[in-house]
Amino acid sequence: QSALTQPRSVSGSPGQSVTISCTGTSSDVGGYNYVSWYQQHPGKAPKFMIYDVTKRPSGVPDRFSGSKSGNTASLTISGLQAEDEADYYCCSYAGRFTLVFGGGTKLTVL
Amino acid sequence: QVQLVESGGGVVQPGRSLRLSCAASGFTLSTYGMHWVRQAPGKGLEWVAVISYDGGNKYYADSVKGRFTISRDNSKNTLFLQMNSLRAEDTAVYSCAKYSGDYHCIEYWGQGTLVTVSS
Repeated sequence: QSALTQPRSVSGSPGQSVTISCTGTSSDVGGYNYVSWYQQHPGKAPKFMIYDVTKRPSGVPDRFSGSKSGNTASLTISGLQAEDEADYYCCSYAGRFTLVFGGGTKLTVL
Repeated sequence: QVQLVESGGGVVQPGRSLRLSCAASGFTLSTYGMHWVRQAPGKGLEWVAVISYDGGNKYYADSVKGRFTISRDNSKNTLFLQMNSLRAEDTAVYSCAKYSGDYHCIEYWGQGTLVTVSS
């Protein structure tokens, strides 16, 4: 039950693209196509942005996209906007109903 | 709309117990698995526990196993987390969360209740 590994911080200028990685093991990220990504603004509840590795729930801009290769999942945000500045967490199903989160990545829009 | 409202947090001494509640509305609680997730001040999200829709399956993070117990009362649309032998490192905002079988992830979160373990 070790936390998934994410970079502590990433940054980019408005209009640019950034990618946040999320590395786990074959028991979580690598073993299931059930990786989700959450956006959390200060003092707010997390909002899910990506599910099933690549899918977006309705209302999430197509600037947000997800992918996975082996034990590493990634979230890419293109056309960065000021409101994208937030903390981002990955989450993976880890078997037997359990979940595991990443340590979180702080995105700064310069 | 879906609402999850936690209560029961507060300041407690190490070694003592606390029981958290989560009142659910806007959906039929009895058809969904539910989770507790915590976030220590300034830290990331940590999964704590899960209970299946009927209460038949319960699983815990290693950090709380043997000390915390998750339960539910579907007739009262309420989720619980009994926390015993509390430690300083359990200090966090505890949130209940609704799992979506369609999305295979947590779809809705409560705002959380703060638990502070301190002497």
